[in-house]
Amino acid sequence: QQQVKQSPQSLIVQKGGIPIINCAYENTAFDYFPWYQQFPGKGPALLIAIRPDVSEKKEGRFTISFNKSAKQFSLHIMDSQPGDSATYFCAASFGNEKLTFGTGTRLTIIP
Amino acid sequence: DAGVTQSPTHLIKTRGQQVTLRCSPKSGHDTVSWYQQALGQGPQFIFQYYEEEERQRGNFPDRFSGHQFPNYSSELNVNALLLGDSALYLCASSLDGLVDIQYFGAGTRLSVL
Repeated sequence: QQQVKQSPQSLIVQKGGIPIINCAYENTAFDYFPWYQQFPGKGPALLIAIRPDVSEKKEGRFTISFNKSAKQFSLHIMDSQPGDSATYFCAASFGNEKLTFGTGTRLTIIP
Repeated sequence: DAGVTQSPTHLIKTRGQQVTLRCSPKSGHDTVSWYQQALGQGPQFIFQYYEEEERQRGNFPDRFSGHQFPNYSSELNVNALLLGDSALYLCASSLDGLVDIQYFGAGTRLSVL
């Protein structure tokens, strides 16, 4: 049972553009929504996370937008750079239970 | 300060064999979670160990078992390997199971032939 749906599967953006990755969840009990970045041969690394009491969170060039009523959240990367090319995963959890991950988005930033 | 370390990096086994993967958590962490990441997919939760006990378990068969040692390191054991067990196995550590400070290792790539 897939509880977190992520789109698109892959994304190509020019340097300086703003890639947007979207996730939708089903379980309304989820209360923690992180985004992870994974480079080839590495484990996922936490990028930014949000809890449902706020609608937006910014950390550097990364922004999460959260829509509780629509059960959706998205990642925006401002002024994208070739070094941002990686696979991005959204995830969700409730309490301190297991993380449920999306299927990933392979992002390519072209110079 | 070493992060989460996993061994071995790569492993090749044949169907029906058994395998043991190892994980050392980040210094100061006491909780270890294991995830399976199939090619092109997101990680899927296998189980979590805290105080040497399995605290949570995902939807994986009993062929998958684990252990946590007093020094908080952990092992993942998989018996009767199937071709479908081929994946990247990730270990994540945290303090008292808190998901918002969970750090992942680089994983063990298991290939079952």
